[in-house]
Order: sequence, then structure tokens, then C-alpha cells
Amino acid sequence: AQKITQTQPGMFVQEKEAVTLDCTYDTSDQSYGLFWYKQPSSGEMIFLIYQGSYDEQNATEGRYSLNFQKARKSANLVISASQLGDSAMYFCAMRAALNTGNQFYFGTGTSLTVIP
Amino acid sequence: ETGVTQSPTHLIKTRGQQVTLRCSSQSGHNTVSWYQQALGQGPQFIFQYYREEENGRGNFPPRFSGLQFPNYSSELNVNALELDDSALYLCASSLRGLEAFFGQGTRLTVV
Repeated sequence: AQKITQTQPGMFVQEKEAVTLDCTYDTSDQSYGLFWYKQPSSGEMIFLIYQGSYDEQNATEGRYSLNFQKARKSANLVISASQLGDSAMYFCAMRAALNTGNQFYFGTGTSLTVIP
Repeated sequence: ETGVTQSPTHLIKTRGQQVTLRCSSQSGHNTVSWYQQALGQGPQFIFQYYREEENGRGNFPPRFSGLQFPNYSSELNVNALELDDSALYLCASSLRGLEAFFGQGTRLTVV
């Protein structure tokens, strides 16, 4: 069974600073994908970044990067140069690669607050 | 915006009633899935439809049912509503195997 663990219920970061949001996962699958989504108060889940289990390099998307450590089963999100608009809930999720649909397993999320 | 639209955005129902939530998937997307997100929790997978057939189901009772139409839009039906069904219901669509796009959700309150 797949499981995602996010141990930080809430995080604070100063504007323009970097912040790391933690995510560990558990799966017996060899092939899987790891995702980070941002959820503002409006409710929509906004895709941020994706890492495949066989990708050798850490994924990066603009100010977002994913620190993927496969042996430790961790997939931490790093947000550089935080902005006030980054304040939101952040969810780590996993999807089995063999499941080519939309069955994601989500963590409980981390609430990020960016302080001016 | 992702192109995935859900209706209604908010809904209040009484315990025991039935509710239908709707999702219009992004153009060309043939896979739609539904998630329930209780307050303070991550989304939980309810079920998924691919080309009008249910193609995966999470740990939800049969009173949660769905449909997918030929245009790939979808409905989530919940019968015999319970107080614990109060949640944000999210719909996600994708072209099979590719990135999933979520709608803004329907906030259901059961009183």
C-alpha cells in the first residue's frame, strides 16, 4: 500500500527566504511518480512539480525544486525566494506509474505562511 | 485556470438526502477521478472513470456512485448523506497517463 507522510502541519518563512517542506513516502512499487500540489484557500489543487522514480536528476520548475532521495524515500519540496503569494497548503502526493489514471495518494499537507 | 470546472461551488444538504455533483473535464481528457477532502486532511480517492467505465475505487461505500458521459464530463452521486460527508469534493481530469488537472471543488455541508 502507498502512504505519504508530511510531518510539518505548519511552516513560517520570511519573504525572499527559501523553505523546505518535508515529505516521506512508502511503497512497494518500483515505478511511481511523486507530485507536489499547492492548494490556496479557493480550494483548487495547483500542480507544482513532478519527479519520476527512475529520474536520476532532481526535478526543478522555476522557484520550485524537489530534493529526491530514493533510498530514504523522501521527496522534499524546496521553494526559493518565497513570495507572499506562496502562502497556502502544500500537498505531497504519489501515483503508481502502472496506474495510468488519476489515483493519487496524498499526505495531510503543510500550511505555509510567508511573513513580509 | 486548468479548464476543469465543477458545479455547484457550494451546497448545503440535510442528513439523509441525496446529492449530485458535476465535473466538466478539460477538453479531450478521457479520465476523470473524484476525491473527498475533509477539513484539515489531504484528498482521499473515491473513484475514477475512463471512457465511461469505473476504473478504480477507493475505500468508500456503495452509496458513493458516479457516471461519466460520452463527452467525458462526470457526476458524483452520494445517497443517504451523513454528517461526515461534509467535505470539499475535487474532480481531476487527465488524458490517460499524463498530468492531472484539478477543478476548484464543491464544498458540501451536511446538516
